[in-house]
Amino acid sequence: GAVVSQHPSRVICKSGTSVKIECRSLDFQATTMFWYRQFPKKSLMLMATSNEGSKATYEQGVEKDKFLINHASLTLSTLTVTSAHPEDSSFYICSASRPGMNTEAFFGQGTRLTVV
Amino acid sequence: AQTVTQSQPEMSVQEAETVTLSCTYDTSESNYYLFWYKQPPSRQMILVIRQEAYKQQNATENRFSVNFQKAAKSFSLKISDSQLGDTAMYFCAFMKHDGSARQLTFGSGTQLTVLP
Repeated sequence: GAVVSQHPSRVICKSGTSVKIECRSLDFQATTMFWYRQFPKKSLMLMATSNEGSKATYEQGVEKDKFLINHASLTLSTLTVTSAHPEDSSFYICSASRPGMNTEAFFGQGTRLTVV
Repeated sequence: AQTVTQSQPEMSVQEAETVTLSCTYDTSESNYYLFWYKQPPSRQMILVIRQEAYKQQNATENRFSVNFQKAAKSFSLKISDSQLGDTAMYFCAFMKHDGSARQLTFGSGTQLTVLP
């Protein structure tokens, strides 16, 4: 089956610094990837839709200048948390689907971000 | 906009017994997909079962089956012969049947514990 790889799985950063999270589709090309955020014992909330070769589409309430998304190739999307604050600490998950009619979303392993 | 509601935050079941997790949703769309995802302690999202709204027949995958009631907008998951490995958070999710759009709207989740 398709595999989506997310890196790193855990990261600790200091307040004010930036951290980049990568999401790769390993065996298919993904023109669209999605970034979700999950708080402890809570559901996944869609943050943004990453579009290859164009600007990301952000959900209402998500600061696009804080959460920078780059989808420079058909197999890689990156989420950069800029000027991180402790409240940005969370679990971030990406997903992608094969092009075409297959609706299954494949998820990365997730990244636990802790801002200290 | 779509909403997905899971009214059971936590449930438990004895090993080998059957349990049903509830999910209701609200949408004005006529074509869509519904999913149940499992998130074990590793936090990797795993697809359990998928249902196309235009199909009247309920989807089944081995020990997992759904009761899809389109008119009632209900989509429950039945797990038969529960196993310890079924212990996880279960999320009901909605996806529009909308071209390339593949983003999911998740319910709040049900934490299922299978007791030995």
